[in-house]
Amino acid sequence: DTGVSQDPRHKITKRGQNVTFRCDPISEHNRLYWYRQTLGQGPEFLTYFQNEAQLEKSRLLSDRFSAERPKGSFSTLEIQRTEQGDSAMYLCASSGRTTNEKLFFGSGTQLSVL
Amino acid sequence: RKEVEQDPGPFNVPEGATVAFNCTYSNSASQSFFWYRQDCRKEPKLLMSVYSSGNEDGRFTAQLNRASQYISLLIRDSKLSDSATYLCVVTDTGRRALTFGSGTRLQVQP
Repeated sequence: DTGVSQDPRHKITKRGQNVTFRCDPISEHNRLYWYRQTLGQGPEFLTYFQNEAQLEKSRLLSDRFSAERPKGSFSTLEIQRTEQGDSAMYLCASSGRTTNEKLFFGSGTQLSVL
Repeated sequence: RKEVEQDPGPFNVPEGATVAFNCTYSNSASQSFFWYRQDCRKEPKLLMSVYSSGNEDGRFTAQLNRASQYISLLIRDSKLSDSATYLCVVTDTGRRALTFGSGTRLQVQP
C-alpha cells in the first residue's frame, strides 16, 4: 500500500489522558500536514512540516497539542490532557515536489474523549 | 467572517440534472484554488484545481472570479455516484496550509 496511513483508526480515551497518533506519509513526499475535522465542518489546519521542519502551526492550536516529524518520514501528533472538545477526526495528508499542492489524505484517526 | 464560505446544502437533485455550487473567500491575496470531494466517512480527495481561465474535466467545470472572490463548480448530467460533500479549498500567498470550506453536500436521487 503506497498511500498515507494513520494509526490507530479509532481512539477512545478519558478526559485528562494523553493520546498520540501516528502518520506515515507517501514515501517520496516531503510535506506533511495535520488537519482536524468535526461533523459538518471542513478539515481545519493544525500544522505543516517540510521534511523534519515544522514550518507552520495554526494560531488556534492549543499548547496541549504537539507534533513531530523527527526524521522527515513519519509524524506523530500528541494531545495532552485531552478535553471533550478534542473529539474529532484527525487527518494526516502529504504532498511532494511533483504533486504541487495536491494533498493525499490518510483515512484519519477518530478520537472520542469521554 | 470565515475565510472560505460555502452553502452547506444539501442540494437534492435528480439524476441527469445540472447543479452548481459557489464558494466565496475573504483573502484577496489567495493564490490557489481547488475543489475536493469527500464521501461519507472517508477522507477528502482532490477533484480538480481551479484556474483563472476556468477549466473543465469531463462533466465538471470550475470557474474562478478573482474580482468577486468566488469560485464555482458546475456538474452536468449528475450521477448517483456524484453524491458527496464538495469542499472548496484556498491557499494564501506565502502559506502552505490549505484552508477548507465547510463543504456543500450533494445528494443525487434516482
